[in-house]
Amino acid sequence: DTAVSQTPKYLVTQMGNDKSIKCEQNLGHDTMYWYKQDSKKFLKIMFSYNNKELIINETVPNRFSPKSPDKAHLNLHINSLELGDSAVYFCASSQAALWGEAFFGQGTRLTVV
Amino acid sequence: AQTVTQSQPEMSVQEAETVTLSCTYDTSESNYYLFWYKQPPSRQMILVIRQEAYKQQNATENRFSVNFQKAAKSFSLKISDSQLGDTAMYFCAFRGGGSNYKLTFGKGTLLTVNP
Repeated sequence: DTAVSQTPKYLVTQMGNDKSIKCEQNLGHDTMYWYKQDSKKFLKIMFSYNNKELIINETVPNRFSPKSPDKAHLNLHINSLELGDSAVYFCASSQAALWGEAFFGQGTRLTVV
Repeated sequence: AQTVTQSQPEMSVQEAETVTLSCTYDTSESNYYLFWYKQPPSRQMILVIRQEAYKQQNATENRFSVNFQKAAKSFSLKISDSQLGDTAMYFCAFRGGGSNYKLTFGKGTLLTVNP
């Protein structure tokens, strides 16, 4: 069983389109995250939800909107895609009361053309 | 704000040898957590080893060990008996001890193990 799974793994789309990435975790964790990895492999937090409540919202354009329907799911919707949005997006989860180490999904490579 | 610095963008090592990857960080907190993650070409982020700041003893996981120097804010990773499968990007990460659970990552070190 995959602990943190995100779909799709690859996404190629045109500028101006709207797209969503879905994430699900079966670890029973209470905190979920979206990280962005740019072309230089730098990883940066975008959002974090703890028990469905948004607790971290880094400086991210309003075109990015996370949604957490329940503790096991965290989706990322992106409006009006731009070339600069091309990156790998990772979903992750952790149990806040413990180490807080993050378990990552396999990533979604988004390419905007 | 916490920062994590990995000063070696790339390193290489011969199979079966030992290599050490460097990481330094900056924080005003006294309790926190440190991690090393590995990202092979498959793109998957894999936890290698972790360390709690209040524990003096250095963490060890099989061939992987850390040298944690709290006063110097240094957290290096030693890989013994390097294997071809260790070829990957290695990221050092910091997590504060409070309720902000985010990981702050270094820029990574690309390690290549040569046969």
